[in-house]
Amino acid sequence: GNSVTQMEGPVTLSEEAFLTINCTYTATGYPSLFWYVQYPGEGLQLLLKATKADDKGSNKGFEATYRKETTSFHLEKGSVQVSDSAVYFCALSRGNAGGTSYGKLTFGQGTILTVHP
Amino acid sequence: DAMVIQNPRYQVTQFGKPVTLSCSQTLNHNVMYWYQQKSSQAPKLLFHYYDKDFNNEADTPDNFQSRRPNTSFCFLDIRSPGLGDAAMYLCATSRESGNNEQFFGPGTRLTVL
Repeated sequence: GNSVTQMEGPVTLSEEAFLTINCTYTATGYPSLFWYVQYPGEGLQLLLKATKADDKGSNKGFEATYRKETTSFHLEKGSVQVSDSAVYFCALSRGNAGGTSYGKLTFGQGTILTVHP
Repeated sequence: DAMVIQNPRYQVTQFGKPVTLSCSQTLNHNVMYWYQQKSSQAPKLLFHYYDKDFNNEADTPDNFQSRRPNTSFCFLDIRSPGLGDAAMYLCATSRESGNNEQFFGPGTRLTVL
């Protein structure tokens, strides 16, 4: 079945440090890949996405590239801010076998990021 | 702005007292999902609706039920809440087609006393 494995946290960084959160996946075919962010006490927000191999998703200074050869979708940011402190979830989705193209999300376990001033 | 709205944001109930959580959407998406999330863990899918077609996850307890009276609204009913049901409940929507992106509401934090 489908699965997503994320780098274990928590991750603690100083402001302006470089961030990498590793994500690898197992899936048949060509899933869509997502990074969601969850700020304290809130729901999940889509941070970025990629729908095919070699696509790069980017948003708010965050980037991730869909690497089919390594089945990875690592999240990076060159200079983190205190406001980036949150939980980050990597996820994949594939269409249903029944013919419709919507699919259920498979989440990684989440990585807690704390950024200190 | 098109969005997913959940009410209430915080709900307190007593052990065994039925509770209903509400979700509405202005995105006109035909798929709606309910997730349970505990302590910054990954959200766990309880069930989803594809239009009016209800799809239950195999490990969702019978204590959890759902209703979708129309495209815009979906309800989560917990018939007899236990202490272990205290969690954040997230509603999400998606289109039938496209890249399967799901749009989440802000969640309802349920406390069971």
